[in-house]
Amino acid sequence: EAQVTQNPRYLITVTGKKLTVTCSQNMNHEYMSWYRQDPGLGLRQIYYSMNVEVTDKGDVPEGYKVSRKEKRNFPLILESPSPNQTSLYFCASNSSPGLAENLQETQYFGPGTRLLVL
Amino acid sequence: RKEVEQDPGPFNVPEGATVAFNCTYSNSASQSFFWYRQDCRKEPKLLMSVYSSGNEDGRFTAQLNRASQYISLLIRDSKLSDSATYLCVVNRRSGGYQKVTFGTGTKLQVIP
Repeated sequence: EAQVTQNPRYLITVTGKKLTVTCSQNMNHEYMSWYRQDPGLGLRQIYYSMNVEVTDKGDVPEGYKVSRKEKRNFPLILESPSPNQTSLYFCASNSSPGLAENLQETQYFGPGTRLLVL
Repeated sequence: RKEVEQDPGPFNVPEGATVAFNCTYSNSASQSFFWYRQDCRKEPKLLMSVYSSGNEDGRFTAQLNRASQYISLLIRDSKLSDSATYLCVVNRRSGGYQKVTFGTGTKLQVIP
């Protein structure tokens, strides 16, 4: 079954304690991205990756890091979480390498990770 | 001004009603458009793409008006199961790659 998986699904942590949210897709997609969703603000892109070892900042990258060492995995790292990073996080992928010619490509989302930073 | 704007709602409609949502976008370079559906606390899922000629999928009709820079979604004969948040999504080129922008969503509640 084609899918995007995220772990953990729920996480409660404390300020400053490093954490990693994993994301994995089994569709051999090149393009992956991370979003956060907050009430009234919608989905905002944190980071994206066009391919292995190629990543770039989205709209709200501050306080986050990512890596793309393998095609299927795209972990999101919070080195020193703060309460304003409490949010619902989604990982997404699509088959397009992000090239402009493939603007009709749609995204497949993971089930989400609900993070609470105390 | 936000790049993609939607009325947040909620739209409360009775079963069987017809309801329409609009979404406006500010960047005239936007090239492809989608409606996604998101159920409470779950991931967004593609509902339909939006083409210039307009397109229909069962009870759902999507329209694009490039001159006025808006897209619309019409739902006919609303069902209880249509209750969800509907997200407008706009893609455009940015430095040779795609830039995806989501609207904040319009909440629909279909009432028995």
